[in-house]
Amino acid sequence: NAGVTQTPKFQVLKTGQSMTLQCAQDMNHNSMYWYRQDPGMGLRLIYYSASEGTTDKGEVPNGYNVSRLNKREFSLRLESAAPSQTSVYFCASSELVYEQYFGPGTRLTVT
Amino acid sequence: AQKVTQAQTEISVVEKEDVTLDCVYETRDTTYYLFWYKQPPSGELVFLIRRNSFDEQNEISGRYSWNFQKSTSSFNFTITASQVVDSAVYFCALPSDNYGQNFVFGPGTRLSVLP
Repeated sequence: NAGVTQTPKFQVLKTGQSMTLQCAQDMNHNSMYWYRQDPGMGLRLIYYSASEGTTDKGEVPNGYNVSRLNKREFSLRLESAAPSQTSVYFCASSELVYEQYFGPGTRLTVT
Repeated sequence: AQKVTQAQTEISVVEKEDVTLDCVYETRDTTYYLFWYKQPPSGELVFLIRRNSFDEQNEISGRYSWNFQKSTSSFNFTITASQVVDSAVYFCALPSDNYGQNFVFGPGTRLSVLP
């Protein structure tokens, strides 16, 4: 079992460029999440998906879009990257109110 | 709104000391869950414990123990006889809805255990 996988691990973008962060889980979980982690701020939820075909906004959704492609995959898209989106991004999955399993993270720098 | 406060930004202890990490939460729900996660220097996030608000008994797992007090809205985490491998950032978290879909994390406490 790979658990939760994320690609890429590192990315550098110029302001205005777009990119998609990929996430996949092999635990058959219904719920998937995207977080960003900034120094001193903990993890902040960007979007989540309670089940295949549904997505909802979290605390900081502006500037992002998501797609729940199927039960396994949940992608995060930055349409026009901004320096304020420099962060570490984590994907996670869980079953209802049970513990979340996190991916290894993607370190994104926007210059 | 749901909120999690971890007032201790950084703590340093010497190996074998006991240390307690504080977590205070606010919730509008009458039943809820609370979580602790660990983030070691390698960066991954590791689940430590989930607690249901129905159960106020303290939990002990090896050197780790958790004290949940509904009356003070606190869910504190104690490491007994700390070790260098306990050095990490520790997060307390609370789902902001009954389905556990929308999580709120505290800002974290960075624990450094010195040899």
